Amino acid sequence: QVQLQQWGAGLLKPSETLSLTCAVYGGSFSGYYWTWIRQPPGKGLEWIGEIYDSGSTNYNPSHHYNPSLKSRVTISVDTSKNQFSLKLSSVTAADTGVFYCARRPVVVTAIRPLDYFDYWGQGTLVTVSS
Amino acid sequence: SSELTQDPAVSVALGQTVRITCQGDSLRSYYASWYQQKPGQAPVLVLYGKNNRPSGIPDRFSGSSSGNTASLTITGAQAEDEGEFYCNSRDSSGNHLVFGGGTKLTVL
Repeated sequence: QVQLQQWGAGLLKPSETLSLTCAVYGGSFSGYYWTWIRQPPGKGLEWIGEIYDSGSTNYNPSHHYNPSLKSRVTISVDTSKNQFSLKLSSVTAADTGVFYCARRPVVVTAIRPLDYFDYWGQGTLVTVSS
Repeated sequence: SSELTQDPAVSVALGQTVRITCQGDSLRSYYASWYQQKPGQAPVLVLYGKNNRPSGIPDRFSGSSSGNTASLTITGAQAEDEGEFYCNSRDSSGNHLVFGGGTKLTVL
């Protein structure tokens, strides 16, 4: 059974850098997109970005980031630990919310790509306040 | 504003059928996936692709798509189906993922 367990600092001051880590237990780590999603209090879900590691030493991991956050986001992966991390710089109160890590399988069908998040972390509440 | 549009709220009588929709131009080219979220919990995948349910999701949940609209249908809604439902798909560029604004389902 796949489990995602996440952790990180829950209280930040404006201008600091948010840092969260997600560990993956069970299943393969390579061959998936590892994703971060956030949810402001009382609001909807927002895709932050993702990283894909093929497991091949010949290729660097590839990233996709939400254009609205791209200048502040870094997602990295540590395959030796089956972990991936999120850094969000220069946080403001608008970054307050619950952050989730999730797994997105890579499925290419003959018709169109098949995108979905099948496993999620438990969520981490991050509050930005002076 | 999201590139995927959902009605903010929908209600259904216990045991009746309800359809939750998600509209967006990208849905003409990409599948939607659907997530149910209950208060204080992480979202749960309930439907993906043309009409695929993960293991453990009741068969009263089904999906369809037509033009720029993807739909999640619950046939015989149960009290435990209450919650917020989000659709997800790619944006118009096809390079990024985006969520709809969510639909709050109330079972009366």
